[in-house]
Amino acid sequence: AQSVTQPDIHITVSEGASLELRCNYSYGATPYLFWYVQSPGQGLQLLLKYFSGDTLVQGIKGFEAEFKRSQSSFNLRKPSVHWSDAAEYFCAVGAGNNDMRFGAGTRLTVKP
Amino acid sequence: GAVVSQHPSWVICKSGTSVKIECRSLDFQATTMFWYRQFPKQSLMLMATSNEGSKATYEQGVEKDKFLINHASLTLSTLTVTSAHPEDSSFYICSARDPPKTQYFGPGTRLLVL
Repeated sequence: AQSVTQPDIHITVSEGASLELRCNYSYGATPYLFWYVQSPGQGLQLLLKYFSGDTLVQGIKGFEAEFKRSQSSFNLRKPSVHWSDAAEYFCAVGAGNNDMRFGAGTRLTVKP
Repeated sequence: GAVVSQHPSWVICKSGTSVKIECRSLDFQATTMFWYRQFPKQSLMLMATSNEGSKATYEQGVEKDKFLINHASLTLSTLTVTSAHPEDSSFYICSARDPPKTQYFGPGTRLLVL
């Protein structure tokens, strides 16, 4: 069965600094990979997804992620963080069936 | 595109009553919808997979008689929490799958059982 690990429970960055959120997955075949963001009391918003093709994926709000098969990773990056990016970020992996597994989430705090 | 709504956004009810939560895909048809539960500062826990026109598939440990799911159309799934108790208080989130694999999430429903 597939699984997802987000090693960082909480990350704090200064506004304007770069950001990288880590995600590692375990799955036998090529997975479908997703990053979602959740603001407090809200549902999840899709930032980006990877199914196949170019391993560098561009998403909304200036985010990007890179699929690295050799490292089983799908890290999320943003070159310059804004205060409004403070939220909970979830990495998820989907398999060939309906199943989708979520990581535990990484809470991002942005310092002014 | 790919908008999912949930209603109500929050509900307070007395112990022993039933509560129905609606999940709608507004601009696409969803053969499959999902219901999740989220506890504070935790990740999402899949409760059940809802397939249009057939019975829902429940995850292990989820009581199907307590959490009734109906997926009567390609744009609507409902979750009914029957005989709710305080331990059912939680944040419930639905998602709808836009083929082939992407799930789009509703804004969530906060349930408080007194």
